[in-house]
Amino acid sequence: QVQLVESGGGSVKPGGSLRLSCAASGFIFRNYYMNWIRQAPGKGLEWVSYITSNGDAVFYADSVKGRFTISRDNAGNSLYLQMNGLRADDTAVYYCARANYGLDYWGQGTLVAVSS
Amino acid sequence: EIVLTQSPDTLSLSPGDRATLSCRASQSVRSNYLAWYQHKLGQAPRLLIDNASRRAPGIPDRFSGSGSGTDFTLTISRLEPEDSAVYYCQRYDTSLWTFGRGTKVEI
Repeated sequence: QVQLVESGGGSVKPGGSLRLSCAASGFIFRNYYMNWIRQAPGKGLEWVSYITSNGDAVFYADSVKGRFTISRDNAGNSLYLQMNGLRADDTAVYYCARANYGLDYWGQGTLVAVSS
Repeated sequence: EIVLTQSPDTLSLSPGDRATLSCRASQSVRSNYLAWYQHKLGQAPRLLIDNASRRAPGIPDRFSGSGSGTDFTLTISRLEPEDSAVYYCQRYDTSLWTFGRGTKVEI
């Protein structure tokens, strides 16, 4: 069965960095676009970034452009999100999700807390 | 900036009622690349509908999507208590995959 498992979340000070990982299994990872989506406390879902199946194109929400970098390792079935210059408003649960037209499989999320 | 406006913010209904949720895009959604999700507290979001009207595998036929261009609707007929959740629309036809702000359905 399809599984997506995020890791790498935690507490960090403003200006710090974190790298999130998403381990994929149960499907042919290299065939799918992959996304990161987040939900800040008390807020709705916010799309963060997506990467094409072979990694040749990436897109970001304006709120993270220039600070976050999405990447993938198709040989290792993994998706990543490098987050630099973290701010308090980046505090959220971060989900990875598979794109198959809609986002048909999601992980359970990893919490990122940015606070001094 | 492409904006998806969902209405109403909250719907309070009874079991067996019909819920009608609206999603309006500030620009036309190409190829009807519009999806709906159900999100319950503490769980991962769940895809209900994509391509505006295609029900995802395993989703009960009480859930249906319709619309095109800039106006889309999610209808939940015969509400059940477990349908209490926040429902989001999302477009995926451009380089920016925007979510609406959500409609909370209370039963």
